[in-house]
Amino acid sequence: AQKITQTQPGMFVQEKEAVTLDCTYDTSDPSYGLFWYKQPSSGEMIFLIYQGSYDQQNATEGRYSLNFQKARKSANLVISASQLGDSAMYFCAMRNNNDMRFGAGTRLTVKP
Amino acid sequence: DSGVTQTPKHLITATGQRVTLRCSPRSGDLSVYWYQQSLDQGLQFLIQYYNGEERAKGNILERFSAQQFPDLHSELNLSSLELGDSALYFCASSRAGGRTYEQYFGPGTRLTVT
Repeated sequence: AQKITQTQPGMFVQEKEAVTLDCTYDTSDPSYGLFWYKQPSSGEMIFLIYQGSYDQQNATEGRYSLNFQKARKSANLVISASQLGDSAMYFCAMRNNNDMRFGAGTRLTVKP
Repeated sequence: DSGVTQTPKHLITATGQRVTLRCSPRSGDLSVYWYQQSLDQGLQFLIQYYNGEERAKGNILERFSAQQFPDLHSELNLSSLELGDSALYFCASSRAGGRTYEQYFGPGTRLTVT
């Protein structure tokens, strides 16, 4: 069965510093996609970044990068130069052709 | 603004009742997904439609059903409602139906069952 694990319920980071949010996954399907979403207190889900299981390079989108280690089945999100507006819940998700699973989320708080 | 619209924004109803949640995908997106987010269960995938046909099914209860219409909007029907069905229901859309396409979420419908 597919599984997504986010082991950090909460994280704190100082403004302008980098932070890594952990995500591990488990699947027997060789084809899958990994996603990160941000959910601010207002409730909407905002797509951040995507990594395909066959992608050779780590995905990057502005200040977001995904540290993809396929052998370890990890897909950590790195946020560089944290801003106060980055304070939110962050969800890791995995998609194969038939299913989409989300982790429990990590609440990130950026301190001024 | 993701371009995905959901109505209504809030819904309060009683146990045993039936409600319909509506979703319009982003322009050009063929696939629609429904999710339930609750405090105890987290974010759960319910069902996916692609161009009018059911593509994938997740943890959707038998009391719940969905469909996607020819204009690509989708409706999620929840019946015989129970207190535990209180949650935030998200609709998301993507360009196509496969695993490589990011999904854009609507603002959600908050359902409260009393």
